[in-house]
Amino acid sequence: DVKVTQSSRYLVKRTGEKVFLECVQDMDHENMFWYRQDPGLGLRLIYFSYDVKMKEKGDIPEGYSVSREKKERFSLILESASTNQTSMYLCASSLVGRSSGANVLTFGAGSRLTVL
Amino acid sequence: GDSVTQMEGPVTLSEEAFLTINCTYTATGYPSLFWYVQYPGEGLQLLLKATKADDKGSNKGFEATYRKETTSFHLEKGSVQVSDSAVYFCALTHSGNTPLVFGKGTRLSVIA
Repeated sequence: DVKVTQSSRYLVKRTGEKVFLECVQDMDHENMFWYRQDPGLGLRLIYFSYDVKMKEKGDIPEGYSVSREKKERFSLILESASTNQTSMYLCASSLVGRSSGANVLTFGAGSRLTVL
Repeated sequence: GDSVTQMEGPVTLSEEAFLTINCTYTATGYPSLFWYVQYPGEGLQLLLKATKADDKGSNKGFEATYRKETTSFHLEKGSVQVSDSAVYFCALTHSGNTPLVFGKGTRLSVIA
């Protein structure tokens, strides 16, 4: 089974701190995604990446950046954390192509970030 | 742009009751449709999918049929269990590298 590992389940940071959320997948998936999940708003796409060193903005990229230096790793960076970035962050990966597994997202367990 | 609308929760059912969670979508062409489930404290996992009109996806007793004429993909289960308590998300994507678009989720609570 594909495994997507998010390095931290719970983080508490202070306003203005730089925050790194790490995500690693072990099945050679081309696509990787970062979502945030908030009550009443569902999942909103922050950034995604189709390949190493490539990134695309999602629906809510403001205040975030990403890095994909290796195929298996996709990092989400909050340059200067703010209280409105308190949320659950979910990383996911998927295959490309036309196989039955293409476009099926495999999610990590999530990282719950609290910004004080 | 594409969008997914699901019934708002929470939905509370007694064990062995029939479940329907409505999902409708707005999209051009023929997207692939998905239901994901999120159990407490976990990330989302794929429950079932359908890739073309009239396809029926099924898994763990859950079913959903891709209805192009009504742009719907309603989730059903004949007899729910306490262990089905979770948040259910409907989603769609077009082929290729288009990211999934999710509904807002429906929380289901099943009581014994």
